[in-house]
Amino acid sequence: EAGVTQSPTHLIKTRGQQATLRCSPISGHTSVYWYQQALGLGLQFLLWYDEGEERNRGNFPPRFSGRQFPNYSSELNVNALELEDSALYLCASKFRQGAEKLFFGSGTQLSVL
Amino acid sequence: RKEVEQDPGPFNVPEGATVAFNCTYSNSASQSFFWYRQDCRKEPKLLMSVYSSGNEDGRFTAQLNRASQYISLLIRDSKLSDSATYLCVVNNNQGGKLIFGQGTELSVKP
Repeated sequence: EAGVTQSPTHLIKTRGQQATLRCSPISGHTSVYWYQQALGLGLQFLLWYDEGEERNRGNFPPRFSGRQFPNYSSELNVNALELEDSALYLCASKFRQGAEKLFFGSGTQLSVL
Repeated sequence: RKEVEQDPGPFNVPEGATVAFNCTYSNSASQSFFWYRQDCRKEPKLLMSVYSSGNEDGRFTAQLNRASQYISLLIRDSKLSDSATYLCVVNNNQGGKLIFGQGTELSVKP
């Protein structure tokens, strides 16, 4: 069974551009989470989607947004990129809202130049 | 105060050593607790859940003290392959998010 898949693996952008990151959860998982991990820092919660709706977001500016599609895949969009947005963006999924185990994808390394 | 705080690292230990990691959480309503392992710039992977009665999985033992809001992970007979960053994770069931600690880096030397 395929795990959580993320694309692209690496993304290089310049300041002011927009980035789109994609995530496909494990088959049957309805909840998708996005985390940001800047170099040397811990995972910071960005967004949580469940059953197609945004359920919670972390302390990030509105230029971080996303959505979840009917097939439960998800997209993270970052507008007006800033240098400090450079980080590893991790997507994770779990079976349903109440489930506990979170399964992570291998991440998208975003570099903003 | 951070919601989840861990021992600062890195921990440098010889093979065969016993090492313990500590973690405190600020929200007394937190419901469930986990230890994840993350290898260098790779995705975190669930190591073990932490139960109130304490639990063991081979060389790994996890403990929870709700009164002190404290979680620990003990690794016995350290192996080179245990070298990684260990993340303490708390689910307080507020908005469904898992809150990650900063992580403690472990380096096991021959």
